[in-house]
Amino acid sequence: NAGVTQTPKFQVLKTGQSMTLQCAQDMNHEYMSWYRQDPGMGLRLIHYSVGAGITDQGEVPNGYNVSRSTTEDFPLRLLSAAPSQTSVYFCASSYHNPGGGIRGYTFGSGTRLTVV
Amino acid sequence: AQSVSQHNHHVILSEAASLELGCNYSYGGTVNLFWYVQYPGQHLQLLLKYFSGDPLVKGIKGFEAEFIKSKFSFNLRKPSVQWSDTAEYFCAVGPTGTYKYIFGTGTRLKVLA
Repeated sequence: NAGVTQTPKFQVLKTGQSMTLQCAQDMNHEYMSWYRQDPGMGLRLIHYSVGAGITDQGEVPNGYNVSRSTTEDFPLRLLSAAPSQTSVYFCASSYHNPGGGIRGYTFGSGTRLTVV
Repeated sequence: AQSVSQHNHHVILSEAASLELGCNYSYGGTVNLFWYVQYPGQHLQLLLKYFSGDPLVKGIKGFEAEFIKSKFSFNLRKPSVQWSDTAEYFCAVGPTGTYKYIFGTGTRLKVLA
């Protein structure tokens, strides 16, 4: 049972380059999300998805795109990397909570991205 | 806008001391509440959660949290901490029925052996 798998674990990009952070889960969770973690700022929601084909923006969506073609995968695309996007990125997934919202996240191990 | 505050940024305790970490949120409706822990070099793990019912919830590793609706608070407690509890703790809040979960800025706990 792999849980939430993120690749790569580390990445260095040059300003202006694009790349895709991969996220896959094998728990059949309906809900998936991307957060970035920065010192002193906690985790901030970038984008989320409540099911295949459905995505929405979080707190800090600018500069990022997502798509959800399958239940399992939720890639995050950086369109044109900027130094301000240097961060640790976490993918998380969860079952829906019958009363609304989610049951609680399972997090991936993170991708540490540096943009120079 | 919805927000979550964790006022204690750094806490240092000796082993066997009691722990209470504060979490306050700003949202007038019903909410789902979570505490997560991040051990050094690891990803976040769910400690406990509250949806409804008994406001005192118990989680893993001896942690518990109390939801006080009138104070918009969900404080994390542990009667006796261990060195292995050294970690960063995050509170997260989401209005019931939505999917935008907001995290606090975290509290770094260091437990001295």
